[in-house]
Amino acid sequence: DTAVSQTPKYLVTQMGNDKSIKCEQNLGHDTMYWYKQDSKKFLKIMFSYNNKELIINETVPNRFSPKSPDKAHLNLHINSLELGDSAVYFCASSQAGGREQFFGPGTRLTVL
Amino acid sequence: GEDVEQSLFLSVREGDSSVINCTYTDSSSTYLYWYKQEPGAGLQLLTYIFSNMDMKQDQRLTVLLNKKDKHLSLRIADTQTGDSAIYFCAEAYGGSQGNLIFGKGTKLSVKP
Repeated sequence: DTAVSQTPKYLVTQMGNDKSIKCEQNLGHDTMYWYKQDSKKFLKIMFSYNNKELIINETVPNRFSPKSPDKAHLNLHINSLELGDSAVYFCASSQAGGREQFFGPGTRLTVL
Repeated sequence: GEDVEQSLFLSVREGDSSVINCTYTDSSSTYLYWYKQEPGAGLQLLTYIFSNMDMKQDQRLTVLLNKKDKHLSLRIADTQTGDSAIYFCAEAYGGSQGNLIFGKGTKLSVKP
């Protein structure tokens, strides 16, 4: 069973569109995260979220919004996509205050 | 702001030891991590070290921490071709175990 899964694996879309990436974890973790990895492999945290608190990296544009329908899911919505949004997006989860984050396989987003 | 620095490339011969170095800036970091990313895959936690430790060994992996100099290293003994990957150093931001700041990653190439 996949611990942290993301869909889709690849997403190709036009500038200006709105898209979502889904993330699910079956580990019973309390905290979930979204990371962005750019073409140079630089990895930066975008959000961390548990049922009490959303922490947003101040550099993330407000076109990006996480939405959590339940504890096992944290979806990433992106409005008005721009070329610079092209990257690989990783979801991760951990126990609250846990030391180990488990990463999903990533979603490669290409904006044309 | 908080920053984690690593050299971008390292090339070794199979059977040699690899040493990947990392410096960080947040002195309140309680945990420091090493993650491995194989091509096309997500990140896998290799090991972590608590800030009051100097060294941690786990099979072929040895982590050394110099807290005074804010320097972390990962030594891989008897490096194999399967160790070829990108290795990310990360610190827990602001003492929080959840929010990780990653280095830019060191691409390890192992030649037969």
